Order: sequence, then structure tokens, then C-alpha cells
Amino acid sequence: AQKITQTQPGMFVQEKEAVTLDCTYDTSDQSYGLFWYKQPSSGEMIFLIYQGSYDEQNATEGRYSLNFQKARKSANLVISASQLGDSAMYFCAMTQFRRSARQLTFGSGTQLTVLP
Amino acid sequence: EAGVAQSPRYKIIEKRQSVAFWCNPISGHATLYWYQQILGQGPKLLIQFQNNGVVDDSQLPKDRFSAERLKGVDSTLKIQPAKLEDSAVYLCASSLAPGLTGGVTGELFFGEGSRLTVL
Repeated sequence: AQKITQTQPGMFVQEKEAVTLDCTYDTSDQSYGLFWYKQPSSGEMIFLIYQGSYDEQNATEGRYSLNFQKARKSANLVISASQLGDSAMYFCAMTQFRRSARQLTFGSGTQLTVLP
Repeated sequence: EAGVAQSPRYKIIEKRQSVAFWCNPISGHATLYWYQQILGQGPKLLIQFQNNGVVDDSQLPKDRFSAERLKGVDSTLKIQPAKLEDSAVYLCASSLAPGLTGGVTGELFFGEGSRLTVL
């Protein structure tokens, strides 16, 4: 069974600094995808970034980048130049195919607080 | 493009009562998911539909939870009778069928969720 581990329940970062949120995963599949979602206090899940297991380059989306280390089974999220609006819960998730359909499994999340 | 619609946003009931949540996915999305998110935890998959068929309901407490997706479009999740531990946010999500990328591969689009409080 696949598993996502986020070991940082809470993180603090100063505004305008960079922060790294850790994520490790466990799977026996060769083909899988890794996602990061942001969940503000309002509750909606906002997609941030995606990395496929066969992608050779690390994914980037604006201020978000994914540090993908396949051998170590880690997929850390790096947020550069933090903003106050980045304060939220962040979830790492992994998708794999089961019974011809895509399933997404989430980690327990990291609460990020950006300090002014 | 309209997003995933869910209702109601909030519901408060007493234990042993019943409740139903409704979800309308993004038009054209064949796959629909119901997740349960208990406060302080990550979302947990309850049930997954592909069109109007169930793909996986292995984590659905079938003695009290039921879900259907008639006509392969909108879906209803029901809890009867509710327990205190059912207090959570119920998230509905949808995605394109496998093999259709349409952008980011496998991205799930979430609704705003339905927050259930069981007293």
C-alpha cells in the first residue's frame, strides 16, 4: 500500500524568505504522480504543483518548486519569497492507478505560518 | 468554467440522525471522489466513481454510509445514522478519465466541502 509522510506538523517562516516543506512517500509502483495542494482556512483545496515519476526535471510553478529525489522517495515543496497569503495547510499527495482509475492519497499536512 | 459544486456548506445534526450531501462535478469529468477530512488530518478517500460505476469503496463504512452517482453526473453521499466521530469536512472532487490529460496529469479539482458537526 502506498503511504505519504509529512513529518512537520507546523512550520514558521519570515515573510520574503524561502521555506521547504518535507514529504516522503512509499510505493512499489513504477508509475505514479506527486502533488502538492494548499488548503487555506476557508477550506478549499488548491492545486499547486505536480511531478510525474518519470519526469527528469524538477517541476516549477511560479514561486513553487518541487525537489524530487526519486531514489530517496522524497518530494519536498520549496516556496520562495514567502508571502503572508501563503499561510495555510499544505498537503503532499500521491496518485497511482488502481482498477483502471486514478487514486490520490494524502499525507497528514503541514501548517505553514508566514510571519510579517 | 464552473468548478465542483457542493451543498450544504454546513450541517449540524444530533447523533443517530441522518444527513445527505450533494456534489456536482465539473462538466465532462468522468471520475468523482468523496473524501472525509477530520480536523487536523489529511483527506481520506471514502468512495470513487468512474462515470456511474463504483471503482473503490473499500474505506466507506457501509453500515452507515452510502453514495450514489446516478446518470454519471452528480452524486449524493448519505450518512445514516450519524455518529459523533463522523464530524468532519466532506470533500467532493472530480477529474478527467485516465488517459485524458487536458493539462496537468491527474489533477483533482475540489469543491469547497461540506462541514458536518454531529452533537
